[in-house]
Amino acid sequence: LAKTTQPISMDSYEGQEVNITCSHNNIATNDYITWYQQFPSQGPRFIIQGYKTKVTNEVASLFIPADRKSSTLSLPRVSLSDTAVYYCLVGSITGGGNKLTFGTGTQLKVEL
Amino acid sequence: KAGVTQTPRYLIKTRGQQVTLSCSPISGHRSVSWYQQTPGQGLQFLFEYFSETQRNKGNFPGRFSGRQFSNSRSEMNVSTLELGDSALYLCASSLPTAEKLFFGSGTQLSVL
Repeated sequence: LAKTTQPISMDSYEGQEVNITCSHNNIATNDYITWYQQFPSQGPRFIIQGYKTKVTNEVASLFIPADRKSSTLSLPRVSLSDTAVYYCLVGSITGGGNKLTFGTGTQLKVEL
Repeated sequence: KAGVTQTPRYLIKTRGQQVTLSCSPISGHRSVSWYQQTPGQGLQFLFEYFSETQRNKGNFPGRFSGRQFSNSRSEMNVSTLELGDSALYLCASSLPTAEKLFFGSGTQLSVL
């Protein structure tokens, strides 16, 4: 299983762009990169997923370089409600089933 | 479409007792995974069921068990509860062809 490394915590202010980088040096060919958001006492919520290059949806962008050994989650113009823990996962849940491992996550704190 | 439903939301037990937690996946999802979340250990994978068969298992003692029914609903059981079993237990479901997990809100178990 691919191991991920991400910062333990980050601070930001409302309206700023936040970039959280995740390192995954031993990513396998079939692995996807997925980011989840979790609020206290709730289950993680899917944010975005990608395999290579850049993916964008209505809430975030995911940048993946050609070697795929790292990825960056970009949250544009954060607000107080974006204060949460963000998890980077690398793996696959098709074929042989769920083999995803959650790391320690990044606690993002957004202030006024 | 209803989300993943976990019951009960809160549970208080005493050491030595056993407990059964329930998870109803999103309609059409046949894969159900269970996670334990504690402040010290983070999110840890317990096991995954697909079509009533355990497909993957994490590194937990045999006191932790689960099963899945023909309607994809799943239960997990913890026997001989220990204080360290106090945690948020999360259930996630997914489609076999999708790389995305949908989590429930969890069951907060307190062992006294």
